[in-house]
Amino acid sequence: SQQGEEDPQALSIQEGENATMNCSYKTSINNLQWYRQNSGRGLVHLILIRSNEREKHSGRLRVTLDTSKKSSSLLITASRAADTASYFCATRNAGGTSYGKLTFGQGTILTVHP
Amino acid sequence: GAVVSQHPSWVICKSGTSVKIECRSLDFQATTMFWYRQFPKQSLMLMATSNEGSKATYEQGVEKDKFLINHASLTLSTLTVTSAHPEDSSFYICSAGAGQTAPNTGELFFGEGSRLTVL
Repeated sequence: SQQGEEDPQALSIQEGENATMNCSYKTSINNLQWYRQNSGRGLVHLILIRSNEREKHSGRLRVTLDTSKKSSSLLITASRAADTASYFCATRNAGGTSYGKLTFGQGTILTVHP
Repeated sequence: GAVVSQHPSWVICKSGTSVKIECRSLDFQATTMFWYRQFPKQSLMLMATSNEGSKATYEQGVEKDKFLINHASLTLSTLTVTSAHPEDSSFYICSAGAGQTAPNTGELFFGEGSRLTVL
């Protein structure tokens, strides 16, 4: 079952603006990951943040994690038209018995207008 | 990064036929692969965990006789949709973890997906 809830479901912005997507989850996690999916394609791993980390950066991406609120956010700065895609958060449960099993959120569809 | 290849990328078949989808890890060995199903504009739903040399572990509600999984080698897992029906039409995606650090990182590498259309 999908435990992640993401908002907004869809986000439309202009090139150059920042895009913020949020993810909430329900169980204790080992780590939380963000993936990107272009339409009709597979998923690409963007960034992973462990449960003992609060913030992580990678290029134009900034991820925060608040385990007390069971939530995470993904910020894309200075967005580009090429950032248009669906973005999914995925959690790996703490103490999970299935290696690598990830539970995905519902995703945010980001559209960046040139 | 590690590369996962999935084939075919799209397939159209008649109702009642069986379709096989292959998932290969090209530059690493994967003892475990995962098969997901995705409906349009929806999230990924884990169908089963494919284990090399042993039976796959299916998620609740997924028919194991309908979706046959074989993981005969460390680089290949196959998903066969048997006696396909229009409701089986979907986007199927496989994934795998790579290397010794994967159990700690949990990062997965995904194939490009296979779009199945059953007429």
